[in-house]
Amino acid sequence: GENVEQHPSTLSVQEGDSAVIKCTYSDSASNYFPWYKQELGKGPQLIIDIRSNVGEKKDQRIAVTLNKTAKHFSLHITETQPEDSAVYFCAASLNEKLTFGTGTRLTIIP
Amino acid sequence: DGGITQSPKYLFRKEGQNVTLSCEQNLNHDAMYWYRQDPGQGLRLIYYSQIVNDFQKGDIAEGYSVSREKKESFPLTVTSAQKNPTAFYLCASSISYNQPQHFGDGTRLSIL
Repeated sequence: GENVEQHPSTLSVQEGDSAVIKCTYSDSASNYFPWYKQELGKGPQLIIDIRSNVGEKKDQRIAVTLNKTAKHFSLHITETQPEDSAVYFCAASLNEKLTFGTGTRLTIIP
Repeated sequence: DGGITQSPKYLFRKEGQNVTLSCEQNLNHDAMYWYRQDPGQGLRLIYYSQIVNDFQKGDIAEGYSVSREKKESFPLTVTSAQKNPTAFYLCASSISYNQPQHFGDGTRLSIL
């Protein structure tokens, strides 16, 4: 099955700086890569996703890049704000299943 | 408002009891999923269903059971066979497989 590794497990950045979270996946057949944001006591919320036929996607301050050759994808958050503090999860989809990374706790320092 | 409703938010179980977690969606989604989340870990798939009256085991199905009698509902039963049931349980739905999954706000199950 698919295996997804996510780094770092914790990340602290100054407000206004950029944050980058990286994930690698094992199965080259995976073709859909969503990113989720989870706040305390809540369910994960989809923030951006990318499919394997695209190398990069951007939505305002959030962007995702995909390198199929290296089996690697990353989340980039620019101009970070206090409300960006949360746990972020990457995932990779193979057939009908999503496999999640172990999460990154992002803390924005005012 | 369209969305996924999980109930209850908190649930306590005595040793040897079965408990059922509710998940209802009004998004008209065909696919539904149950995940388990433990501290410091990602989400792990328990069961999933693409259509009514059909479901498949995920990666950690032992000690759990589900039913899909209606498109809107996908209840999860945690049986007494599940030896370590304390966790945060999340339900999700999507239009179909390989499409964005939308999550409920979870049920936290604890053992008394």
